[in-house]
Amino acid sequence: GENVEQHPSTLSVQEGDSAVIKCTYSDSASNYFPWYKQELGKGPQLIIDIRSNVGEKKDQRIAVTLNKTAKHFSLHITETQPEDSAVYFCAGLRYSTLTFGKGTMLLVSP
Amino acid sequence: DVKVTQSSRYLVKRTGEKVFLECVQDMDHENMFWYRQDPGLGLRLIYFSYDVKMKEKGDIPEGYSVSREKKERFSLILESASTNQTSMYLCASSPGTGERSTGELFFGEGSRLTVL
Repeated sequence: GENVEQHPSTLSVQEGDSAVIKCTYSDSASNYFPWYKQELGKGPQLIIDIRSNVGEKKDQRIAVTLNKTAKHFSLHITETQPEDSAVYFCAGLRYSTLTFGKGTMLLVSP
Repeated sequence: DVKVTQSSRYLVKRTGEKVFLECVQDMDHENMFWYRQDPGLGLRLIYFSYDVKMKEKGDIPEGYSVSREKKERFSLILESASTNQTSMYLCASSPGTGERSTGELFFGEGSRLTVL
C-alpha cells in the first residue's frame, strides 16, 4: 500500500516568516495530494490540493509543489500569521483511499 | 455547508463494554470513512464504505466493525472495548465519482474515547 512520510513533526516560526512542510510518498500510482489543516478541537479541513499532472498550485499565501520523479510534495506558507498555528497533514490518494502523513504541528509566534 | 456530525464528543467506557460511535452527514455523499487519530501516528483508516450496506477494511480494522444501514449514517462499533482503543475517532464523508475516487474529505469534529 501507500506510505506517506511527513517532515518535520514540529515547526516553530516567527510571524511573517515562511514555513515549509515536506512529504514523500511511495506509490507512483498515487495521483492526488491534498493538504489538511486541523485546528485545536476541530476536524481536519482541506486547504489546498494538487493532482499529478500539475507541478505547482497557489492560493494566496499557500502553495503546494509536486515532484513526481522524486515522489515528494511540499506545502509552502508565506507571511505566516498566528492563526496559521495548527496541525497540518499531507496525504496521497491511491485506489480511492487517502493515506495521511503523521502530521506537522506549526506554531507561529507573534 | 457540508456538515458531518459525530454524536458524542467525549465518551468514557470500561474495558469490555460495547461502544457505538455514530456519524451522520447531510450532503448525500456516497463515501464515508472512520479514521483514528493518535499523537505521532497521524490519521489511520479503520473502515470505509462506498454505499449503503457496503464496507471495506482500512489499514487497522482489528477490534472494530461498522454498519451503514442508511446512506447518511455510518457507525463504528467496538464489540469489546480495550484500553489500547483509547483515541480520537474521526468520521469523514466525500462525494463518490468515477471509480469511487474521493476528492475532498469532510470531517466531523471527532469523538474522544477513553477506555478505562
